[in-house]
Amino acid sequence: AQKITQTQPGMFVQEKEAVTLDCTYDTSDQSYGLFWYKQPSSGEMIFLIYQGSYDEQNATEGRYSLNFQKARKSANLVISASQLGDSAMYFCAMSPLSSNTGKLIFGQGTTLQVKP
Amino acid sequence: KAGVTQTPRYLIKTRGQQVTLSCSPISGHRSVSWYQQTPGQGLQFLFEYFSETQRNKGNFPGRFSGRQFSNSRSEMNVSTLELGDSALYLCASSRLAGAGTDTQYFGPGTRLTVL
Repeated sequence: AQKITQTQPGMFVQEKEAVTLDCTYDTSDQSYGLFWYKQPSSGEMIFLIYQGSYDEQNATEGRYSLNFQKARKSANLVISASQLGDSAMYFCAMSPLSSNTGKLIFGQGTTLQVKP
Repeated sequence: KAGVTQTPRYLIKTRGQQVTLSCSPISGHRSVSWYQQTPGQGLQFLFEYFSETQRNKGNFPGRFSGRQFSNSRSEMNVSTLELGDSALYLCASSRLAGAGTDTQYFGPGTRLTVL
């Protein structure tokens, strides 16, 4: 079964500090994409970062980086220098290439609160 | 470039009614997927459309249906609404279909409340 697990329902971080949001996945596919999305209280899902299963380097996008450990099947999101606007729900998602479908499998999400 | 748009943003219906939600993808994107988000079940895949064809369907009853038009705009319909259909319905678009590397960009969602 293909599954995404986010074990941290809620997290707090002090403004300007770094925070790591955990994500582990389960798939028998060799090729897959991993995504992180941010969902503010408004509801819109905002794409943050993508990592392909064959990418050797960890993906980075500005203050976001993805700590990809393929052997451990983990794809943790690291947010550096947290800002108050980072307070939101964060979702890890996977799309297996072999299924030939754009279907995203989502985790349950982690609520991040940034304290001033 | 304009993002994914969804209309209406909010909707209140009563049990037994039907509802139609609309999604306009990013210009040039031909694939549209729909997701249902509820506090209990999280984000669940509904369907995926590409070039007016449904390519994949999630585990939802037949009351949930959709279609895609030649301009890639998509609609989803829910007939005989039930209380459990209350949810945030999110639409996402991407350039390609069925490509796990292709990023899906989401719209703001339609929040449906069934009374």
